[in-house]
Amino acid sequence: DAKTTQPTSMDCAEGRAANLPCNHSTISGNEYVYWYRQIHSQGPQYIIHGLKNNETNEMASLIITEDRKSSTLILPHATLRDTAVYYCIVRVFWEAGGTSYGKLTFGQGTILTVHP
Amino acid sequence: DSGVTQTPKHLITATGQRVTLRCSPRSGDLSVYWYQQSLDQGLQFLIQYYNGEERAKGNILERFSAQQFPDLHSELNLSSLELGDSALYFCASSPRLAGRPHEQYFGPGTRLTVT
Repeated sequence: DAKTTQPTSMDCAEGRAANLPCNHSTISGNEYVYWYRQIHSQGPQYIIHGLKNNETNEMASLIITEDRKSSTLILPHATLRDTAVYYCIVRVFWEAGGTSYGKLTFGQGTILTVHP
Repeated sequence: DSGVTQTPKHLITATGQRVTLRCSPRSGDLSVYWYQQSLDQGLQFLIQYYNGEERAKGNILERFSAQQFPDLHSELNLSSLELGDSALYFCASSPRLAGRPHEQYFGPGTRLTVT
Protein backbone atom coordinates (compact mmCIF):
# COMPACT_ATOMS: atom_id res chain seq x y z
CA ASP A 1 0.00 0.00 0.00
CA ALA A 2 1.14 3.52 -0.82
CA LYS A 3 2.55 5.71 1.92
CA THR A 4 0.71 8.87 2.95
CA THR A 5 1.93 12.12 4.46
CA GLN A 6 -0.29 14.32 6.60
CA PRO A 7 0.39 17.39 8.75
CA THR A 8 0.78 16.52 12.39
CA SER A 9 -1.85 18.95 13.60
CA MET A 10 -4.33 21.57 12.43
CA ASP A 11 -6.70 24.03 14.04
CA CYS A 12 -10.08 25.16 12.85
CA ALA A 13 -12.70 27.58 14.16
CA GLU A 14 -16.11 26.17 14.89
CA GLY A 15 -18.50 26.70 12.00
CA ARG A 16 -15.73 27.11 9.45
CA ALA A 17 -14.63 24.55 6.89
CA ALA A 18 -11.79 22.26 7.89
CA ASN A 19 -9.53 21.28 4.99
CA LEU A 20 -7.24 18.37 5.77
CA PRO A 21 -4.55 17.61 3.16
CA CYS A 22 -2.95 14.28 2.40
CA ASN A 23 -0.05 13.53 0.10
CA HIS A 24 0.13 10.11 -1.55
CA SER A 25 2.53 10.66 -4.41
CA THR A 26 3.29 6.94 -4.90
CA ILE A 27 -0.34 5.87 -5.25
CA SER A 28 -1.05 3.17 -7.82
CA GLY A 29 -3.89 3.14 -10.28
CA ASN A 30 -5.88 0.53 -8.39
CA GLU A 31 -5.49 2.10 -4.94
CA TYR A 32 -8.31 3.93 -3.22
CA VAL A 33 -8.03 6.85 -0.81
CA TYR A 34 -9.83 6.33 2.50
CA TRP A 35 -10.38 8.69 5.40
CA TYR A 36 -11.09 7.56 8.94
CA ARG A 37 -11.12 9.48 12.17
CA GLN A 38 -10.63 8.53 15.80
CA ILE A 39 -12.15 10.56 18.59
CA HIS A 40 -10.23 10.23 21.84
CA SER A 41 -9.42 6.49 21.97
CA GLN A 42 -12.79 5.44 20.55
CA GLY A 43 -12.82 3.03 17.65
CA PRO A 44 -11.90 4.63 14.32
CA GLN A 45 -14.84 5.81 12.25
CA TYR A 46 -15.09 5.59 8.47
CA ILE A 47 -15.64 8.96 6.81
CA ILE A 48 -15.34 8.66 3.05
CA HIS A 49 -13.38 7.04 0.24
CA GLY A 50 -12.64 7.67 -3.42
CA LEU A 51 -10.71 6.39 -6.40
CA LYS A 52 -10.50 9.18 -8.97
CA ASN A 53 -13.52 11.40 -8.71
CA ASN A 54 -14.44 13.81 -5.98
CA GLU A 55 -16.88 12.36 -3.50
CA THR A 56 -19.37 13.80 -1.03
CA ASN A 57 -21.47 12.22 1.68
CA GLU A 58 -23.31 13.40 4.76
CA MET A 59 -20.10 13.78 6.71
CA ALA A 60 -17.55 15.26 4.34
CA SER A 61 -16.23 15.86 0.86
CA LEU A 62 -13.14 14.31 -0.66
CA ILE A 63 -11.22 16.16 -3.34
CA ILE A 64 -8.65 14.11 -5.25
CA THR A 65 -6.24 15.87 -7.60
CA GLU A 66 -6.24 14.87 -11.22
CA ASP A 67 -2.89 13.12 -10.93
CA ARG A 68 -4.17 11.42 -7.75
CA LYS A 69 -1.00 12.28 -5.87
CA SER A 70 -2.81 14.22 -3.19
CA SER A 71 -6.25 14.69 -1.72
CA THR A 72 -8.12 16.95 0.68
CA LEU A 73 -10.81 16.02 3.15
CA ILE A 74 -13.27 18.83 3.72
CA LEU A 75 -15.53 19.08 6.74
CA PRO A 76 -17.82 21.90 5.58
CA HIS A 77 -18.95 23.24 8.94
CA ALA A 78 -16.69 21.95 11.69
CA THR A 79 -18.09 21.48 15.18
CA LEU A 80 -16.39 20.82 18.49
CA ARG A 81 -17.34 17.16 18.09
CA ASP A 82 -15.14 16.96 14.99
CA THR A 83 -12.03 17.29 17.14
CA ALA A 84 -10.22 14.03 16.44
CA VAL A 85 -7.27 12.36 14.75
CA TYR A 86 -7.91 12.07 11.03
CA TYR A 87 -6.24 9.30 9.09
CA CYS A 88 -5.68 9.25 5.35
CA ILE A 89 -5.15 5.70 4.09
CA VAL A 90 -4.36 4.43 0.63
CA ARG A 91 -4.94 0.81 -0.20
CA VAL A 92 -6.00 -1.62 -2.84
CA PHE A 93 -9.57 -2.77 -2.57
CA TRP A 94 -9.34 -6.54 -2.65
CA GLU A 95 -12.39 -8.61 -3.20
CA ALA A 96 -13.03 -12.30 -3.62
CA GLY A 97 -15.72 -14.72 -2.66
CA GLY A 98 -18.23 -12.05 -1.71
CA THR A 99 -16.12 -9.99 0.63
CA SER A 100 -13.48 -7.35 0.61
CA TYR A 101 -10.37 -8.00 2.58
CA GLY A 102 -7.04 -6.53 3.43
CA LYS A 103 -5.63 -4.39 6.12
CA LEU A 104 -6.00 -0.72 6.79
CA THR A 105 -2.55 0.75 7.40
CA PHE A 106 -2.87 3.71 9.74
CA GLY A 107 -0.17 6.36 9.88
CA GLN A 108 0.14 9.04 12.54
CA GLY A 109 -2.75 11.07 11.14
CA THR A 110 -3.61 14.73 11.66
CA ILE A 111 -4.82 15.94 15.01
CA LEU A 112 -7.64 18.36 14.20
CA THR A 113 -8.66 20.69 17.00
CA VAL A 114 -11.84 22.68 16.51
CA HIS A 115 -11.97 25.83 18.64
CA PRO A 116 -15.12 27.66 19.81
CA ASP B 1 -22.78 3.09 17.87
CA SER B 2 -21.14 1.07 15.09
CA GLY B 3 -22.99 -2.15 15.90
CA VAL B 4 -19.73 -3.97 16.70
CA THR B 5 -19.45 -5.06 20.32
CA GLN B 6 -16.35 -5.96 22.26
CA THR B 7 -15.90 -7.42 25.71
CA PRO B 8 -14.49 -6.74 28.16
CA LYS B 9 -13.98 -2.99 28.01
CA HIS B 10 -11.04 -3.10 30.37
CA LEU B 11 -8.72 -5.90 31.37
CA ILE B 12 -5.88 -5.79 33.87
CA THR B 13 -3.63 -8.80 34.17
CA ALA B 14 -0.11 -9.80 35.07
CA THR B 15 2.84 -10.69 32.89
CA GLY B 16 2.90 -14.28 31.76
CA GLN B 17 -0.87 -14.64 31.86
CA ARG B 18 -3.31 -15.44 29.06
CA VAL B 19 -6.43 -13.48 28.15
CA THR B 20 -9.24 -13.75 25.61
CA LEU B 21 -10.86 -10.75 23.97
CA ARG B 22 -14.25 -11.16 22.36
CA CYS B 23 -15.85 -9.43 19.41
CA SER B 24 -19.31 -9.64 17.87
CA PRO B 25 -19.51 -8.14 14.38
CA ARG B 26 -22.45 -6.16 13.01
CA SER B 27 -25.42 -8.26 12.08
CA GLY B 28 -24.82 -9.79 8.67
CA ASP B 29 -21.12 -8.93 8.43
CA LEU B 30 -18.97 -11.97 7.76
CA SER B 31 -15.55 -10.30 7.97
CA VAL B 32 -13.84 -9.54 11.26
CA TYR B 33 -10.57 -7.64 11.66
CA TRP B 34 -8.39 -7.21 14.72
CA TYR B 35 -6.18 -4.17 15.32
CA GLN B 36 -3.82 -3.21 18.11
CA GLN B 37 -3.19 0.40 19.14
CA SER B 38 -0.25 1.11 21.39
CA LEU B 39 1.41 4.42 22.19
CA ASP B 40 4.63 3.62 20.38
CA GLN B 41 3.32 1.60 17.40
CA GLY B 42 0.05 3.35 16.61
CA LEU B 43 -2.84 1.43 15.07
CA GLN B 44 -1.67 -1.85 13.57
CA PHE B 45 -3.59 -4.54 11.72
CA LEU B 46 -3.29 -7.97 13.27
CA ILE B 47 -5.53 -10.41 11.41
CA GLN B 48 -8.72 -10.83 9.39
CA TYR B 49 -11.26 -13.64 9.31
CA TYR B 50 -14.04 -14.19 6.84
CA ASN B 51 -16.82 -16.63 7.62
CA GLY B 52 -14.61 -18.66 9.89
CA GLU B 53 -11.50 -18.68 7.74
CA GLU B 54 -8.33 -16.65 8.12
CA ARG B 55 -8.00 -14.29 5.16
CA ALA B 56 -5.20 -11.83 5.90
CA LYS B 57 -2.45 -11.58 8.44
CA GLY B 58 -0.51 -8.58 9.67
CA ASN B 59 2.05 -8.08 12.41
CA ILE B 60 0.53 -10.61 14.76
CA LEU B 61 2.87 -12.19 17.27
CA GLU B 62 3.10 -15.96 17.56
CA ARG B 63 1.89 -15.61 21.15
CA PHE B 64 -1.37 -14.23 19.77
CA SER B 65 -4.03 -16.25 18.01
CA ALA B 66 -7.55 -15.64 16.81
CA GLN B 67 -10.53 -17.56 15.55
CA GLN B 68 -14.00 -16.90 14.23
CA PHE B 69 -16.82 -19.14 15.30
CA PRO B 70 -19.87 -20.40 13.33
CA ASP B 71 -22.04 -17.67 14.89
CA LEU B 72 -19.44 -15.21 13.47
CA HIS B 73 -18.19 -13.86 16.74
CA SER B 74 -14.43 -13.77 17.05
CA GLU B 75 -11.94 -14.18 19.85
CA LEU B 76 -8.39 -12.92 20.12
CA ASN B 77 -6.22 -14.94 22.46
CA LEU B 78 -3.11 -13.35 23.92
CA SER B 79 -0.74 -15.56 25.88
CA SER B 80 2.53 -15.20 27.79
CA LEU B 81 1.68 -11.57 28.17
CA GLU B 82 4.40 -8.96 28.36
CA LEU B 83 4.31 -5.36 29.50
CA GLY B 84 4.56 -4.27 25.87
CA ASP B 85 1.27 -5.96 25.06
CA SER B 86 -0.56 -3.26 26.97
CA ALA B 87 -2.68 -1.57 24.35
CA LEU B 88 -6.13 -0.91 22.99
CA TYR B 89 -7.40 -3.81 20.90
CA PHE B 90 -10.04 -3.02 18.32
CA CYS B 91 -12.25 -5.32 16.37
CA ALA B 92 -13.86 -4.23 13.11
CA SER B 93 -16.29 -5.79 10.68
CA SER B 94 -17.11 -5.06 7.09
CA PRO B 95 -20.20 -5.77 5.00
CA ARG B 96 -20.46 -8.11 2.07
CA LEU B 97 -19.84 -6.77 -1.41
CA ALA B 98 -23.57 -6.26 -1.88
CA GLY B 99 -23.54 -3.75 0.97
CA ARG B 100 -20.95 -1.09 1.62
CA PRO B 101 -17.80 -3.21 1.42
CA HIS B 102 -15.33 -0.36 1.54
CA GLU B 103 -16.24 0.49 5.10
CA GLN B 104 -14.85 -1.13 8.19
CA TYR B 105 -16.93 -0.58 11.32
CA PHE B 106 -14.91 -0.51 14.52
CA GLY B 107 -15.95 -1.56 17.97
CA PRO B 108 -15.24 0.48 21.12
CA GLY B 109 -12.13 -1.54 21.90
CA THR B 110 -10.73 -3.47 24.85
CA ARG B 111 -8.08 -1.72 26.90
CA LEU B 112 -5.55 -4.27 28.10
CA THR B 113 -3.14 -3.38 30.87
CA VAL B 114 -0.36 -5.82 31.71
CA THR B 115 1.33 -5.21 35.06
